[in-house]
Amino acid sequence: GQQLNQSPQSMFIQEGEDVSMNCTSSSIFNTWLWYKQDPGEGPVLLIALYKAGELTSNGRLTAQFGITRKDSFLNISASIPSDVGIYFCAGLSYNNNDMRFGAGTRLTVKP
Amino acid sequence: DTEVTQTPKHLVMGMTNKKSLKCEQHMGHRAMYWYKQKAKKPPELMFVYSYEKLSINESVPSRFSPECPNSSLLNLHLHALQPEDSALYLCASSQDEGVYVEQYFGPGTRLTVT
Repeated sequence: GQQLNQSPQSMFIQEGEDVSMNCTSSSIFNTWLWYKQDPGEGPVLLIALYKAGELTSNGRLTAQFGITRKDSFLNISASIPSDVGIYFCAGLSYNNNDMRFGAGTRLTVKP
Repeated sequence: DTEVTQTPKHLVMGMTNKKSLKCEQHMGHRAMYWYKQKAKKPPELMFVYSYEKLSINESVPSRFSPECPNSSLLNLHLHALQPEDSALYLCASSQDEGVYVEQYFGPGTRLTVT
């Protein structure tokens, strides 16, 4: 089945720094979603992308749907301590019955 | 309002117990999902209900039995579970089933099987 390769696996950054993470696949996706999950909680939807090349912002977050439909990235600008958590990319395509998740990027922000 | 609620928050059960997890949404969504999530792993799909009918069963063991009493409610009945079934169980919903929809997750039920 279609696999999503998410990187990096973990990041340790200083408060105020910008962060970038991405997901790639060998197959095409029709929708890319980015979620953040805090320990013991459910994933919270951050950004949804539906069109190739689409660039969408949500506050300090910016995500893009790759032009080839095989990748997406998420940027966080001016990180703050509450950005700590695990970020998952997820993709939907006509080839699958279900939403595929990346393995997650664990973000640690040092004050 | 994009809220999906789940009860209980935590559940500890023995291998011979029968228990149920509950999920509720009032967003008018017609697709609802059960996921299982082990520590440090992404969620894994278990079941999908679309318009109150079971649409997808990802080869889940029969000791997990889903039920969708109406379009707002989703239950997961548990019976004779194993310790390896301990995990965070997540419910999600979306407007419809398809590729151009956003899934919204509940807070999860932390299940421990002893």
